[in-house]
Amino acid sequence: DAGVTQSPTHLIKTRGQHVTLRCSPISGHKSVSWYQQVLGQGPQFIFQYYEKEERGRGNFPDRFSARQFPNYSSELNVNALLLGDSALYLCASSPLVGVWEKLFFGSGTQLSVL
Amino acid sequence: AQKVTQAQTEISVVEKEDVTLDCVYETRDTTYYLFWYKQPPSGELVFLIRRNSFDEQNEISGRYSWNFQKSTSSFNFTITASQVVDSAVYFCALSEAGSGGYNKLIFGAGTRLAVHP
Repeated sequence: DAGVTQSPTHLIKTRGQHVTLRCSPISGHKSVSWYQQVLGQGPQFIFQYYEKEERGRGNFPDRFSARQFPNYSSELNVNALLLGDSALYLCASSPLVGVWEKLFFGSGTQLSVL
Repeated sequence: AQKVTQAQTEISVVEKEDVTLDCVYETRDTTYYLFWYKQPPSGELVFLIRRNSFDEQNEISGRYSWNFQKSTSSFNFTITASQVVDSAVYFCALSEAGSGGYNKLIFGAGTRLAVHP
């Protein structure tokens, strides 16, 4: 079975631009979460979606938005990019939502903002 | 506030040495889950273990073992007879439930392990 897939793998943008990152969860998983990992740090929670609804949001500005589609795939959008948005963006899926749930991560999208 | 501390930023060992990665956590919850993930250079976080707060039994899986001590809020990870393939960044994480029915992982800063031949 395929794992979590993310596209693109790498992306270079300039300040002020907009970016869309995509994620396909493991088949049968209904929850998708997004994390931002700045170089040298642990991942930070951005969003969690379950059954196409936003269930939780981390401490990120409104420039960050996301959605989940009927096939449970997800998009993360970032508007008005800043240099500080340069990071590895990780998508994770799980069958359900719950503190016991094991998250399965993709390999991430490396975003560089120049 | 919920917090995970991995005080060791980088560890360097020679192959076949044993190595222990430390993890200390803070939480107000009485029921919680702790995780360890491995991040190789490819970037993907690979799940290693999940432990709930009611199960303080140590666990061993091959060369990997985990020591959970609720009294000291620690969940340490030991690799016995390390190998070059163990080189990676290792993250300890605490699962937190949010209002509105979501869960998120709170990660430590990670420990970079380098195993040299």
